[in-house]
Amino acid sequence: DAGVIQSPRHEVTEMGQEVTLRCKPISGHDYLFWYRQTMMRGLELLIYFNNNVPIDDSGMPEDRFSAKMPNASFSTLKIQPSEPRDSAVYFCASSFILNNEKLFFGSGTQLSVL
Amino acid sequence: AQTVTQSQPEMSVQEAETVTLSCTYDTSESNYYLFWYKQPPSRQMILVIRQEAYKQQNATENRFSVNFQKAAKSFSLKISDSQLGDTAMYFCAFMANYGGATNKLIFGTGTLLAVQP
Repeated sequence: DAGVIQSPRHEVTEMGQEVTLRCKPISGHDYLFWYRQTMMRGLELLIYFNNNVPIDDSGMPEDRFSAKMPNASFSTLKIQPSEPRDSAVYFCASSFILNNEKLFFGSGTQLSVL
Repeated sequence: AQTVTQSQPEMSVQEAETVTLSCTYDTSESNYYLFWYKQPPSRQMILVIRQEAYKQQNATENRFSVNFQKAAKSFSLKISDSQLGDTAMYFCAFMANYGGATNKLIFGTGTLLAVQP
């Protein structure tokens, strides 16, 4: 398996623009997580899905952030409108229910909002 | 709410020496997992070692071992025979174990380890 695949690897945008980050989890995994990493706050869980259903979105910072998982092999994290303080590395991770404590992380998307 | 604290923002060690990274956590749960993740400059998150709270024996993976003190809620990582490739950010993390139901993986703020030649 190719592992968790995220795209793009880098994204530079201007304040006010819409940003969409993409994630393909490992095939067969039941859980998908979105994390955000900043210098100040470290790694924070934004939202996670189980079998494509959002379970806990309490980490989503505000209404400008939304996440979807239309099927088992694809998820998006959208920021609209983007702001400079959204600049961070966004990670996607997935896990399998029978071994759910082991998360597999993607390589992350480095987002810069100018 | 669970919290994870790493009090050492940066550490440095000479190649071939031993270094210990500290981590404390706070929880009211009795069943949980603890982890150390490594994040090299490539940004990839790599699981280094895992400890189940009900196991008294400290986990070991080659040059990496932990000192798990459940009563003190302490979970330190020892790296023996440090290598240049160990240079990375190290994150301590906690996950409550609800019997098969996945919960959040909560991270500390990380310790940046530099291995000097």
